[in-house]
Amino acid sequence: SQQGEEDPQALSIQEGENATMNCSYKTSINNLQWYRQNSGRGLVHLILIRSNEREKHSGRLRVTLDTSKKSSSLLITASRAADTASYFCATDLGGGNKLTFGTGTQLKVEL
Amino acid sequence: GAGVSQSPRYKVAKRGQDVALRCDPISGHVSLFWYQQALGQGPEFLTYFQNEAQLDKSGLPSDRFFAERPEGSVSTLKIQRTQQEDSAVYLCASSLDTLYEQYFGPGTRLTVT
Repeated sequence: SQQGEEDPQALSIQEGENATMNCSYKTSINNLQWYRQNSGRGLVHLILIRSNEREKHSGRLRVTLDTSKKSSSLLITASRAADTASYFCATDLGGGNKLTFGTGTQLKVEL
Repeated sequence: GAGVSQSPRYKVAKRGQDVALRCDPISGHVSLFWYQQALGQGPEFLTYFQNEAQLDKSGLPSDRFFAERPEGSVSTLKIQRTQQEDSAVYLCASSLDTLYEQYFGPGTRLTVT
């Protein structure tokens, strides 16, 4: 069963705009991770945020975590066509680092 | 260095056949994970190894699924008497150890006809 749910399920924006995706989860976590998956390819790790962190940056990516609301957001600034992909949040509940994935957000960045 | 590799990339099996899916993790990675991803869904955990020890197999959907990692490196996921509901992409991931990010392979797309 999926631990998290991403919102929105699909997002279409113009190149140069910012894209925000949200993730909600149900139980206490050790950390939360965001992954990108291009069509027909494997998952690529983007960023990991620990339960005691509130915000993290990596290049054009900004992730926030609100453990009181059990939610996280991923912001991609100045989007590019190459950012077109599905984005998944995944929670690590602390039991050996197995990940529980959300349902994903399909992002399409148009030229 | 080389990433996680999986073979075959595509597998078509007739219902009732046995299949074996292989995963070569990144050299030196202690932890290895198998996930199943149905079309349009996020991956779901199947099983986890720490070196050669299978520490968690709670996600295996039935006793037709079996995984091994006998020497703590290459892993094989075997599915016996395949059913149509087994059709999915099977992803393997490895990590240096627990608490580190996981690196995923390209997956094996299994289609059971």
